[in-house]
Amino acid sequence: ETGVTQTPRHLVMGMTNKKSLKCEQHLGHNAMYWYKQSAKKPLELMFVYSLEERVENNSVPSRFSPECPNSSHLFLHLHTLQPEDSALYLCASNDVLGGENSPLHFGNGTRLTVT
Amino acid sequence: RKEVEQDPGPFNVPEGATVAFNCTYSNSASQSFFWYRQDCRKEPKLLMSVYSSGNEDGRFTAQLNRASQYISLLIRDSKLSDSATYLCVPKGGYNKLIFGAGTRLAVHP
Repeated sequence: ETGVTQTPRHLVMGMTNKKSLKCEQHLGHNAMYWYKQSAKKPLELMFVYSLEERVENNSVPSRFSPECPNSSHLFLHLHTLQPEDSALYLCASNDVLGGENSPLHFGNGTRLTVT
Repeated sequence: RKEVEQDPGPFNVPEGATVAFNCTYSNSASQSFFWYRQDCRKEPKLLMSVYSSGNEDGRFTAQLNRASQYISLLIRDSKLSDSATYLCVPKGGYNKLIFGAGTRLAVHP
């Protein structure tokens, strides 16, 4: 499925590096999300952009910085990360105007390792 | 209390068995509910939405009990390919989907 595409699939970075994760959706959706999934833990919602406006920021450390230039693209800028930030980062999208039963569609995720 | 609680399992069942998972949620204002499945090291994929009257999709049946705030998923005639983690997902305020930690199912020959 190519509805939601994330790049890169894998990323290894040092604690002093700056990198960005990219997400693109081709589903005509109007909301995009970043989730973090650490080993053996539930998905944690990080950020929500709805109709291109950030509506959720779940007390995420400032070393994570989201950017949503339009309804199809979402970035997560990373800098001075810690080893505990190693996780699977998942992007998702849905149609917030599509009624209550509008499910999320996920990208394949970026597996991030911080060394 | 966690927002979503699920038995982590694993549930080890033989092919052909019927297995049921329950999930409880704390937000009584939740209006929409979903079951997702997640294969190892892959992204979650929507399995089915859960409707108030209960709904069925092939071998899968979902039930919602608003009074007790729980959701169930029944899988009949289990297949090897059903082995995965099943995530219970109520929708909270402002389109926010809350994921449970999931219940792991292992179907063996």
